[in-house]
Amino acid sequence: EVQLVESGGGVVRPGGSLRLACTVSGFTFDDYPMHWFRQAPGKGLEWVAVISRDGSSTKYGDSVKGRFTISRDNTRKSLYLHLKSLAPEDTAFYYCAKDILGSGWYFADFWGQGTLVLVSS
Amino acid sequence: EIVLTQSPGTLSLSPGERATLSCRASQRMINSVAWYQLKPGQAPRLLIYDASNRAAGIPARFSGSGSGTDFTLTISSLETEDVAVYYCQQRFNWPLTFGGGTKVEIK
Repeated sequence: EVQLVESGGGVVRPGGSLRLACTVSGFTFDDYPMHWFRQAPGKGLEWVAVISRDGSSTKYGDSVKGRFTISRDNTRKSLYLHLKSLAPEDTAFYYCAKDILGSGWYFADFWGQGTLVLVSS
Repeated sequence: EIVLTQSPGTLSLSPGERATLSCRASQRMINSVAWYQLKPGQAPRLLIYDASNRAAGIPARFSGSGSGTDFTLTISSLETEDVAVYYCQQRFNWPLTFGGGTKVEIK
């Protein structure tokens, strides 16, 4: 059974930093690109970032470019998202997700339950 | 950035009725669209990819169609468990973008 479990969310002050983690099981982690998405309270889904299978290539959404960094550790079957210079508008549930295809098709077929990041003073 | 516009914002139907959800793109995208279902407290669920391919384990009452700029998700016979918000997503251009969602309710 494919499982993705996010952790690391919490309350952080504006301007602060946080690192989210996602541990996976049930599939060969290094065979797939991985994504982070988010959903702010009462808002729709937003794509945040994607990383290639070997971690050599990344892409970001415009609203997080330069502030967030996606990374992965294939030996630990883990995906990370480092968030810095956080602002209240970054408050959201953050989801990690597996790409549908190993070569990268950029749809996500399995998602975690999400972890909440609350940016507040 | 490709803008996806979903309509209607809310769809209120009786069980057994047909639900038709629309997703219109700001530019032509071939078939580069997926549909997701979101229920409160649950992980998002991929329903349809490449406009018309059902993801693994998705019931046959869900179907997708369209190409170019206009895409449709159809639920042929609405069930109470289908109450959720549905989002379309495009992969044709970076950044990946989503529509604003359609909320499906039971009347």
